[in-house]
Amino acid sequence: AQSVAQPEDQVNVAEGNPLTVKCTYSVSGNPYLFWYVQYPNRGLQFLLKYITGDNLVKGSYGFEAEFNKSQTSFHLKKPSALVSDSALYFCAVRDEGGSYIPTFGRGTSLIVHP
Amino acid sequence: IAGITQAPTSQILAAGRRMTLRCTQDMRHNAMYWYRQDLGLGLRLIHYSNTAGTTGKGEVPDGYSVSRANTDDFPLTLASAVPSQTSVYFCASSARRGEKLFFGSGTQLSVL
Repeated sequence: AQSVAQPEDQVNVAEGNPLTVKCTYSVSGNPYLFWYVQYPNRGLQFLLKYITGDNLVKGSYGFEAEFNKSQTSFHLKKPSALVSDSALYFCAVRDEGGSYIPTFGRGTSLIVHP
Repeated sequence: IAGITQAPTSQILAAGRRMTLRCTQDMRHNAMYWYRQDLGLGLRLIHYSNTAGTTGKGEVPDGYSVSRANTDDFPLTLASAVPSQTSVYFCASSARRGEKLFFGSGTQLSVL
């Protein structure tokens, strides 16, 4: 079975400060991990993914994510937050085999204050 | 480039009525998915299709049906709508199963 947890419903950060949105996962094999962003009244957009290789993955809009196998985490990060980064962020995971269908977390609302 | 088109954008429906949500993609993606998004519950998979002619049940399939007669279209039907089906519905696709998803803009459905 595969599952993903986003422990924070909301993250608040000041513009210009670094941000982190947390994600932990559980799979039986090797994980395929994804981050998506949802702006108001829009569908989700792909940000980045981890399949294998470097533990630090770079994605769209200056975001990056760090894969930590021992902590089963895949936290989303950005060195300097922008007000326009305010949105809902979803982590997703799928097992290396299985159904190939990702399981999504419940989402974390990121609010960047001017 | 349209990507994924969902229709209608929003709908208010009387309980007991039948409703079909439409989804069309122009990317020739093999896999398609229907999710519902509810506050506090995130995204939950309703049905999916790995390729034209095949469908499968997701996490919350009861009360919903799908068909995949061709690559481009993946309609979702509510045979007899109930208030608990009030939600935002998203259609998504991926080039192949397991790859990143592309999402439509969603359908806001209210069942009264």
